[in-house]
Amino acid sequence: ETGVTQTPRHLVMGMTNKKSLKCEQHLGHNAMYWYKQSAKKPLELMFVYSLEERVENNSVPSRFSPECPNSSHLFLHLHTLQPEDSALYLCASSPDAVGETQYFGPGTRLLVL
Amino acid sequence: DQQVKQNSPSLSVQEGRISILNCDYTNSMFDYFLWYKKYPAEGPTFLISISSIKDKNEDGRFTVFLNKSAKHLSLHIVPSQPGDSAVYFCAASFNSGYALNFGKGTSLLVTP
Repeated sequence: ETGVTQTPRHLVMGMTNKKSLKCEQHLGHNAMYWYKQSAKKPLELMFVYSLEERVENNSVPSRFSPECPNSSHLFLHLHTLQPEDSALYLCASSPDAVGETQYFGPGTRLLVL
Repeated sequence: DQQVKQNSPSLSVQEGRISILNCDYTNSMFDYFLWYKKYPAEGPTFLISISSIKDKNEDGRFTVFLNKSAKHLSLHIVPSQPGDSAVYFCAASFNSGYALNFGKGTSLLVTP
């Protein structure tokens, strides 16, 4: 596999479920990101990790919990989500966290019922 | 408040002609600008970038122009091909910052 991969590609969950999104990058990058894209809105940055350390948390509700066990893997743990959390969740990586081109995965399309 | 704006939600161009996609920004501190292309069911793909110290960057059929005084950048695609049909996102960042600030995108349709 090359580039940035995300699983699952599609997810439907109820408001009481707990699920996790997975991202893996095969580019040797040091920084990883979670973005959210809602309908008719620009991409919104959620979290940034640099060398497995969270360096930015953009006022994201605690029902979203990121985890970065190493520089190649990033997870987004989801629990007690709301229907308005339905969106496309995109993972990205870059060589370093600051001022670099970011490379995106294909995204996970999430529907919360 | 949105700092990067793409005011045209869609654009239709004939194959072989020039496509010009526009982007405006409000924060004069941005110093790095990028264009991404996105096909349905895929993530954004990096296309081309430009630093604020330049006013033009060219890569094959794609050229990005930056007008700092007008806080405006544009992407030119010449000649346009049907495979260029996609949503194009403009993004801006600070060299000292983590985030890419994205516009809402312009959907380009290149017709044969």
